[in-house]
Amino acid sequence: ETGVTQTPRHLVMGMTNKKSLKCEQHLGHNAMYWYKQSAKKPLELMFVYSLEERVENNSVPSRFSPECPNSSHLFLHLHTLQPEDSALYLCASSQGLSGTYNEQFFGPGTRLTVL
Amino acid sequence: AQSVTQPDIHITVSEGASLELRCNYSYGATPYLFWYVQSPGQGLQLLLKYFSGDTLVQGIKGFEAEFKRSQSSFNLRKPSVHWSDAAEYFCAVGALYNQGGKLIFGQGTELSVKP
Repeated sequence: ETGVTQTPRHLVMGMTNKKSLKCEQHLGHNAMYWYKQSAKKPLELMFVYSLEERVENNSVPSRFSPECPNSSHLFLHLHTLQPEDSALYLCASSQGLSGTYNEQFFGPGTRLTVL
Repeated sequence: AQSVTQPDIHITVSEGASLELRCNYSYGATPYLFWYVQSPGQGLQLLLKYFSGDTLVQGIKGFEAEFKRSQSSFNLRKPSVHWSDAAEYFCAVGALYNQGGKLIFGQGTELSVKP
C-alpha cells in the first residue's frame, strides 16, 4: 500500500449504530487530519493530530470521536449519528504542521450514509 | 482572517480549449498556495504548489499556476483541456506561521468539458 488509505470506502448506518472509519498513511508523516465534505459545501476540517496528540477540534459534535494510536493510523468513531452527517469523510496526512511541511496528502474518502 | 475565494462555481470549456480557474486569497503574510483536483467519489490530489521563488509554477497533468502578490491571486491554467480534466478543483492557502496545520480551502470550481 502506498499513500493514504481509508476503509471502508462506503458505509451505510442507522442512527443508533456505532461504527468506525479507519485511515492509514504510508508516508512516514507526523500529522493527520479528518475532513468532512458535504455536497455543495466547502471542506470542513474536523480534527488535527500531530505526533498522536490532538491539536485541533473544530467544534465537532461529540458523536464523532477521533483516535490516533500512532502516527500512521487515525480512526473516527461514530455513534448516534444524524442524517445530516451523511457526507464524504476524507483523511489526510502531512509531514508536519507548519510552513512547507503542511502539504497535505489525501485518502480516497469514505462515503457515509446515515439512514 | 485567512480566506480563499474561487469566484466560479462551475465552468464549462470545450475539449482542446484553454482553461483558467481563478483563486483569490486573503492573508497578511506570504502564503503557501496549493491547487488540488478531485474526481467524483475520490480524494483530493495535489496538482501544484507555491512556496517561494519563481511565481509561475508547473504542476502535473500539464497544469500551471501564477502567483500574483499584487492581486492576491493564484490562478490555475492549462493551454489545452482534455476530457479527463473534468473534475472539481480546489485552491488552498496555508501560512508560514500556521495555526495547527490548517489549509484554508476555497469552495471549489467544478469543471465540465464539452466534446
